[in-house]
Amino acid sequence: GAGVSQTPSNKVTEKGKYVELRCDPISGHTALYWYRQSLGQGPEFLIYFQGTGAADDSGLPNDRFFAVRPEGSVSTLKIQRTERGDSAVYLCASSTTSSNTGELFFGEGSRLTVL
Amino acid sequence: AQTVTQSQPEMSVQEAETVTLSCTYDTSENNYYLFWYKQPPSRQMILVIRQEAYKQQNATENRFSVNFQKAAKSFSLKISDSQLGDTAMYFCAFLGANSKLTFGKGITLSVRP
Repeated sequence: GAGVSQTPSNKVTEKGKYVELRCDPISGHTALYWYRQSLGQGPEFLIYFQGTGAADDSGLPNDRFFAVRPEGSVSTLKIQRTERGDSAVYLCASSTTSSNTGELFFGEGSRLTVL
Repeated sequence: AQTVTQSQPEMSVQEAETVTLSCTYDTSENNYYLFWYKQPPSRQMILVIRQEAYKQQNATENRFSVNFQKAAKSFSLKISDSQLGDTAMYFCAFLGANSKLTFGKGITLSVRP
């Protein structure tokens, strides 16, 4: 696709349920990032992949959060035993390289609401 | 750890006028990148402008320009000839050696007709 695609756009779930959020990056982009944006705040880093491996997962808040990128393209963010505090917009971004040259291309995010 | 501070939660400007959005940051690194991103209601972050720390010249992109003061760790965004389509949240962001983009809390900009 032309841009970063995230599905679902919106997800409503009940406390305690399991959720998967999908990110399809721009073709050929080797670096992929997940961010979480709470209402009225800036995005906070969760994890980034370089290829298939998680190069830095220091932003994952706890062991209920996990992300994979098995073939170095699509990534899935998985949240177990969801809590109301997990409600946020989850943004995915990709770039051509993880080096410090700049531009990340963002998707439109997945809004997660935990009731 | 790097921090990015946007102390103004919201601003309003009349269409066609000029507005400046403030940002300060803290880092011990010497080489890094600074960005301003725009986030409209569609939620998609759009890059507005980028500044490399090693460049003394302030970046400019059409109606958007920055005032980069490295010693003061200040990075403000000036929007000239404001348009209704500029209404959005604006985030200042820092990218250093750890490859993690760090965002400020953002500012809501409203352009009045």
